[in-house]
Amino acid sequence: DQQVKQNSPSLSVQEGRISILNCDYTNSMFDYFLWYKKYPAEGPTFLISISSIKDKNEDGRFTVFLNKSAKHLSLHIVPSQPGDSAVYFCAASEGLKLVFGAGTILRVKS
Amino acid sequence: DAGVIQSPRHEVTEMGQEVTLRCKPISGHDYLFWYRQTMMRGLELLIYFNNNVPIDDSGMPEDRFSAKMPNASFSTLKIQPSEPRDSAVYFCASSLTGGRGNYGYTFGSGTRLTVV
Repeated sequence: DQQVKQNSPSLSVQEGRISILNCDYTNSMFDYFLWYKKYPAEGPTFLISISSIKDKNEDGRFTVFLNKSAKHLSLHIVPSQPGDSAVYFCAASEGLKLVFGAGTILRVKS
Repeated sequence: DAGVIQSPRHEVTEMGQEVTLRCKPISGHDYLFWYRQTMMRGLELLIYFNNNVPIDDSGMPEDRFSAKMPNASFSTLKIQPSEPRDSAVYFCASSLTGGRGNYGYTFGSGTRLTVV
């Protein structure tokens, strides 16, 4: 059973608009949530994270929102740029290890 | 720092052959993780080490898979015998703090394994 789910396999957005990537989880014991970005032929790179005691964390164009009651988090990218085109993985911290979602392919069209 | 270094980048092998994937973590990182990425299951944790000791190998698919970390700067993931369903991208990652906190992991570039 997948504890971290990214239900949208792909998302296409126009340059300059907002990209919203979603993630749902089932384990209420997760204490940190992270987003990773992955380009082809490279490993995932850390993007932004949020503690389970917060509901929002912002870093430049990237903002992560956490709704614990709904067990849902989202990543907002504003404004979206063509260089943001990549696979985005949601991850949750379970003790010493990270559990990843299946990823969402983001395409930003210029 | 050169980051997490994996070798080879690509491996093509015939079914039944032994495959060894290699990883050099970032110096000073106490945790090392092996993940496998497939289209169907995304990133799956196979095994992780803390201070060279295997802590959790519950993700290793079956006895054909084994991993070692003989010292702080080197780890191997071995598949023997390999099967076509093992075809995937295998990632190694290292970390100072495991999965806790805001640091996450640093991943290598991965090894793309194709078993024919």
